[in-house]
Amino acid sequence: RKEVEQDPGPFNVPEGATVAFNCTYSNSASQSFFWYRQDCRKEPKLLMSVYSSGNEDGRFTAQLNRASQYISLLIRDSKLSDSATYLCVVTPSGGYNKLIFGAGTRLAVHP
Amino acid sequence: SQTIHQWPATLVQPVGSPLSLECTVEGTSNPNLYWYRQAAGRGLQLLFYSVGIGQISSEVPQNLSASRPQDRQFILSSKKLLLSDSGFYLCAWEDSTGKNTEAFFGQGTRLTVV
Repeated sequence: RKEVEQDPGPFNVPEGATVAFNCTYSNSASQSFFWYRQDCRKEPKLLMSVYSSGNEDGRFTAQLNRASQYISLLIRDSKLSDSATYLCVVTPSGGYNKLIFGAGTRLAVHP
Repeated sequence: SQTIHQWPATLVQPVGSPLSLECTVEGTSNPNLYWYRQAAGRGLQLLFYSVGIGQISSEVPQNLSASRPQDRQFILSSKKLLLSDSGFYLCAWEDSTGKNTEAFFGQGTRLTVV
């Protein structure tokens, strides 16, 4: 079983739609959780960290369910500029943050 | 401010040739450093990480190696490239003090082995 699993998509949605991505992780001792965004042929960049209480940043909401080992990202009012691949990232327990990436979920927002 | 430089941006190399990719970080001390590879349409695979000078840990067996000769320099090498080494290579750094858990990536090297 992969350490971090994501639905590869693609998710094709119209502008203004709400879309949700899910991610599961296998290591119950995982410490930190993130969503990164990667544009085509570019390096990944941090979108947001995911906290146990859930957190929101504008149109983006991230949720963590430790019991189910499940992370989600909700994007409201999708924009054309949201088109990208969204990477779920987990760090295992330990003294440093070894980032384990999911394969990513591709989002395409169309007019 | 901190910056990360990775070069070259693109590289075409014949099978069996050597490889050297360099990554340097500025504006921070004792960062954790990482090399990742991303095959076309795939996720990022961790290849090596380093928590200090001369300290390298390998995540997957392969014909690649890494070195950290200076605190903010991380080098990925191969003596003989294989076709399967083609991919997008990304260097990343993070603050080792634990105050900031965000990882910052270089712009990547797109390697094609022919």
